Order: sequence, then C-alpha cells, then structure tokens
Amino acid sequence: SAVISQKPSRDICQRGTSLTIQCQVDSQVTMMFWYRQQPGQSLTLIATANQGSEATYESGFVIDKFPISRPNLTFSTLTVSNMSPEDSSIYLCSVELTGKGQPQHFGDGTRLSIL
Amino acid sequence: TQLLEQSPQFLSIQEGENLTVYCNSSSVFSSLQWYRQEPGEGPVLLVTVVTGGEVKKLKRLTFQFGDARKDSSLHITAAQPGDTGLYLCAFPFNKFYFGSGTKLNVKP
Repeated sequence: SAVISQKPSRDICQRGTSLTIQCQVDSQVTMMFWYRQQPGQSLTLIATANQGSEATYESGFVIDKFPISRPNLTFSTLTVSNMSPEDSSIYLCSVELTGKGQPQHFGDGTRLSIL
Repeated sequence: TQLLEQSPQFLSIQEGENLTVYCNSSSVFSSLQWYRQEPGEGPVLLVTVVTGGEVKKLKRLTFQFGDARKDSSLHITAAQPGDTGLYLCAFPFNKFYFGSGTKLNVKP
C-alpha cells in the first residue's frame, strides 16, 4: 500500500485568489491523479499527472484553471486558480501503485471553501 | 452520463438491518472494485471482483459480480453504525471510472 499526505486538509479562501494543494507519497509512483468531489457525491477526475510529462486533463478542466506540477515520483501539486464559490469542493489526490487494475490509494482530501 | 450507475443514491437504516447496493452498467468490465469513504477521509478499497458470477465475502459484506460482468452488488448483513459512509464502485482502466455513489447512514 501507500501512505499519501495531502496538505492543507482544509482552507477558506477569498474569491479571485489561488491555492496550491500538495500531495506527498511515501513511495515512488508513476501515476498520480487529482479528483474533485462534492460532499457525499462521487469523484470527478480532474487530471492524470505522470512524472516527466504534461498532465492530461479531463473534459471540462483546463490547465490555466488547474495547473499541476509533478517534479518527481513522490510529489505533485494542484493549484486552483482565480477561485470562485463554484470551486468550493473537496480535492483529492490518489496514486496507482503498479500496473492496470490495481487499486487506487487516496489522500484524505483538501476541503476548500471560497467566500 | 455515468458509466456506472449506483442505486440507491441514499440509504438510511437502523442498526441490525440488511441492505443491498447495486452498481450497473451497459458495458462489460474486466473487473470491478468497491470502495468505502468515511467523512474526512479518502476512499479505501474494499474488494476487487474479476470473474463473472464471483462472490467475495468480507466479514458482514458480500460482493457479487454479475455473470455478464456488467453489474455488481454489495450486500451488508446486520449493518452497524461503523458501516456508515459513501460506497463507490469503480472500473479500473487507463483511468478509474467511479460510480455515482451510495451514501449509507446506519442509525444506532
């Protein structure tokens, strides 16, 4: 398994500002994922972040709004830019340890509220 | 349109009751996974089912994969408050497709 540390665990931000969420894994992983989740609802994939390449964004998500960094095999960041109240959500990172079909391991998420 | 539809969406029951959660699709899957997410935490894998018709048991939880590998069910016997959470089925492919989710509340 993997231990994933996500920071911050929660934050309250002003609209128009940006926040960077960090995700640290205790082992080297190829694939890291960023999700958004409304409380009590399912997960929506924002992007897949592989080390050494540009992140791959899902439909409805763009790099200017959600820039992602993946500087090495144990770390990634997601920035939520120019925030509006509609960005209030839970943001989760996850990793897939080895190969297809393996389970994903998740961080505890960042609960973000925009005023 | 969700690739994986779960039902019911919400379920509130008394401790000791039984329940079943369904995960349905029109697509055929090589495998399906079930996750449980508790408030303030990330989802945690409960089980992976691979073979059509497969039944797996995890204490009071019974998971079944449909014969045609298009659907799956999760049955909980004698539910306890500790079972409260969001249950998600998921299909692992190049990326993960998560079901629409079932929010379970077990009242003491």
